[in-house]
Amino acid sequence: DAMVIQNPRYQVTQFGKPVTLSCSQTLNHNVMYWYQQKSSQAPKLLFHYYDKDFNNEADTPDNFQSRRPNTSFCFLDIRSPGLGDAAMYLCATSSFFAGAVDTQYFGPGTRLTVL
Amino acid sequence: GNSVTQMEGPVTLSEEAFLTINCTYTATGYPSLFWYVQYPGEGLQLLLKATKADDKGSNKGFEATYRKETTSFHLEKGSVQVSDSAVYFCAQKGAGSYQLTFGKGTKLSVIP
Repeated sequence: DAMVIQNPRYQVTQFGKPVTLSCSQTLNHNVMYWYQQKSSQAPKLLFHYYDKDFNNEADTPDNFQSRRPNTSFCFLDIRSPGLGDAAMYLCATSSFFAGAVDTQYFGPGTRLTVL
Repeated sequence: GNSVTQMEGPVTLSEEAFLTINCTYTATGYPSLFWYVQYPGEGLQLLLKATKADDKGSNKGFEATYRKETTSFHLEKGSVQVSDSAVYFCAQKGAGSYQLTFGKGTKLSVIP
């Protein structure tokens, strides 16, 4: 089945220690997104890639970076995690074609704990 | 700006009860509308969607109709099961927009 895969499902890091979260997809979608979701809140968009074009949301902290080496993979790098960065991180994908952005499909998420 | 308002939870129902979760939106133009479901500890799963006025999305016994005149997309199910316990998010997106605007989510608990 075509899907969005996130690894690891659970990640524990120390305060200030860089961490990388991974997302891959078999849907061949040209758009990939990273969301942060804190407890009992709606997901908040951090940034997205349209192909290799990176689009940062205005209020995304500089501490969050992303890389997309190819169509299938996208990484979220947190350079110096703080306690406030503990959250569920969701990857999503969609296709953009003929001026229209299609439905977003989400992965299972990575739960990040910062000690 | 665009926004989504959905009923506050939590909602607790007995098994086989009727479910309605209200959702209204404000938008310029005619957005696509979605319901996503999030089971404990999991990511979001697309439950159903509608892309134009009067469309009805349906899946797994859930239904929602895109009502342009009332700017609403209420989620309904005739007979809920314990396995439907989850958080439900209503969301909208403009046709050319990447931005998916979510409501705050409604937690549903179904008790046997």
